[in-house]
Amino acid sequence: ELKVEQNPLFLSMQEGKNYTIYCNYSTTSDRLYWYRQDPGKSLESLFVLLSNGAVKQEGRLMASLDTKARLSTLHITAAVHDLSATYFCAVGSTLGRLYFGRGTQLTVWP
Amino acid sequence: ETGVTQSPTHLIKTRGQQVTLRCSSQSGHNTVSWYQQALGQGPQFIFQYYREEENGRGNFPPRFSGLQFPNYSSELNVNALELDDSALYLCASSSGVVPEAFFGQGTRLTVV
Repeated sequence: ELKVEQNPLFLSMQEGKNYTIYCNYSTTSDRLYWYRQDPGKSLESLFVLLSNGAVKQEGRLMASLDTKARLSTLHITAAVHDLSATYFCAVGSTLGRLYFGRGTQLTVWP
Repeated sequence: ETGVTQSPTHLIKTRGQQVTLRCSSQSGHNTVSWYQQALGQGPQFIFQYYREEENGRGNFPPRFSGLQFPNYSSELNVNALELDDSALYLCASSSGVVPEAFFGQGTRLTVV
C-alpha cells in the first residue's frame, strides 16, 4: 500500500520566517495534492501537482513535485499568523483514491 | 467553498447503534469517496462510488457500507458502532475529467 510521510509533524515558526514542509511517498504517482485544514473544519484544496517538475505558487505558499524522488515540498515564505493551520499532502492513485500524510500542524507566532 | 454538502454536521450515537451519513456531490461529479479522519490523523479512505457502483474500498470492516443514488448523492452507513468510530467523516466528489477531489464540510460523529 502506498505510504505518505510528512515532516515535520509540528512546526512552530515566527512571523516573517521561511520554512519548508516535506512530503515523501513510497510508490510512483504523478498526482500530488496539498490541503489546508483549520481546527474542526474540512479540507481546503491548495495545490494540485500533476507532473514532474510542477511548481505552483499562491501568495506566501509554493508547492513543487519531483516524481523521480517521490518528493513534494510546500515552501512558506515570510510566514504570517493567518497561515496557522494543519497542512496535508495527499498522493492520488489511478482510481482516484487519495492517500494522506499525517499532516503538519503549523503555528505562526508574532 | 465547494458544492459538496454533508449532513448532519454533528452526531452523537451510543455504542452498538447504527448511523447514516449523507453527502450531496458537486454538480457534474459522478464519483463520491468517503474518508474517516480520527483526531490528529490524516484522512483514511473508506470507499469510493462511481455511477452507483462501489469502485474501491479501503481497510474498513463490512459494517461500513455505502450507497450512491442516480443523482450521484451518497450515503455512508455504519452498523454496530464502536467507540473508535468517533471521527470526522469526509465526503469528496470528483469527476473523471478533472483529477481533483472537492471535500464537504464533514460530519463529526461521536460514539459514547
